[in-house]
Amino acid sequence: DQQVKQNSPSLSVQEGRISILNCDYTNSMFDYFLWYKKYPAEGPTFLISISSIKDKNEDGRFTVFLNKSAKHLSLHIVPSQPGDSAVYFCAARDNYGQNFVFGPGTRLSVLP
Amino acid sequence: KAGVTQTPRYLIKTRGQQVTLSCSPISGHRSVSWYQQTPGQGLQFLFEYFSETQRNKGNFPGRFSGRQFSNSRSEMNVSTLELGDSALYLCASSDHHGTGILSGNTIYFGEGSWLTVV
Repeated sequence: DQQVKQNSPSLSVQEGRISILNCDYTNSMFDYFLWYKKYPAEGPTFLISISSIKDKNEDGRFTVFLNKSAKHLSLHIVPSQPGDSAVYFCAARDNYGQNFVFGPGTRLSVLP
Repeated sequence: KAGVTQTPRYLIKTRGQQVTLSCSPISGHRSVSWYQQTPGQGLQFLFEYFSETQRNKGNFPGRFSGRQFSNSRSEMNVSTLELGDSALYLCASSDHHGTGILSGNTIYFGEGSWLTVV
């Protein structure tokens, strides 16, 4: 059973518009979440994180929102750029373990 | 600071053989974890080492093993290779020390080792 879900395998957005990537989790013990971006033939690159004591974290064009009651987080990219085209992974960690559980990823295509 | 380094980047093995992959973490990082990514799948956690001890293990068969050395470098080994083991194997390091909300940390990935089993 997948503990971290990214229900949209792919997403296409026009350059300059907002990209919203969603992630849902089932384990209420998760307390720390990260987003990674992955280009083909490269390792995932860390983008942004959020702790469960916050509901929003912002870093430049990237903002992550956390809704603990809904067990849902989202990554907003504004404005979207063609270089943002990649696979985005959501990851979660529980406050007992040291390993992260990753979602299956969402492929974002930003169209010029 | 140099990033996470994985070797080899690409390799081809035959069914039944074994393979060893190497990972050098970011300097100062003592935690090393390994993940497997297969086409269409997310990153599946294999195991995590901290100070030469395996702290966590994912749901993989015993053919998958690993170890960590005193300099934090890590290796993973897959014995009796199967076609389904063809994947991108990713190593990640972090300076994580504890658990709890305030000990949030980031893991940094290497570029991965592409294994093809034929």
